[in-house]
Amino acid sequence: GENVEQHPSTLSVQEGDSAVIKCTYSDSASNYFPWYKQELGKRPQLIIDIRSNVGEKKDQRIAVTLNKTAKHFSLHITETQPEDSAVYFCAASIVGGSNYKLTFGKGTLLTVNP
Amino acid sequence: DAGVIQSPRHEVTEMGQEVTLRCKPISGHDYLFWYRQTMMRGLELLIYFNNNVPIDDSGMPEDRFSAKMPNASFSTLKIQPSEPRDSAVYFCASSLLLSYEQYFGPGTRLTVT
Repeated sequence: GENVEQHPSTLSVQEGDSAVIKCTYSDSASNYFPWYKQELGKRPQLIIDIRSNVGEKKDQRIAVTLNKTAKHFSLHITETQPEDSAVYFCAASIVGGSNYKLTFGKGTLLTVNP
Repeated sequence: DAGVIQSPRHEVTEMGQEVTLRCKPISGHDYLFWYRQTMMRGLELLIYFNNNVPIDDSGMPEDRFSAKMPNASFSTLKIQPSEPRDSAVYFCASSLLLSYEQYFGPGTRLTVT
């Protein structure tokens, strides 16, 4: 089955700096890569996702990049703000695959210091 | 739609007691997932259902855990007997497709003393 590795496990940045979280996956057939944000005491929620036919996707201060050859994808947050502090999870799956559920990484605790 | 609904939000029980967690998925979603989250182990998939049928329960830690989905709008996760190491936040999630976006409920924080 799919295996997703996520790094770093913790990340601390100053407000206004950029943050990058990286994930690698094992199954070259994976073609859907969502990112979830979980604030303290809250549920995980989807913030952005990317399909394998796209190399990069942006949504305001958040961007995700995908390198299919290397089998890794990254979350980039620019101009970080204290409200970005949360645990971020990456995941991978094969859309349309009847047996391929989302596989989550272990999560990255991002702390944005004011 | 109100989203995925879970109850109770908090549960405190004594070791050896039976615990039942409940979930109502988003209407029309064919897949339902039960996760356990702890600091040490992160987000673990316990079991998932497709159209009320359990498909993969390989994540269920042991026979003390059981899950049912009697109809499309209701699922339960039962722990009997409960142990202190079962203390965690249990999330239910649902999705339209197996491999697509999952919508999480607010979670149940379980404390077993």
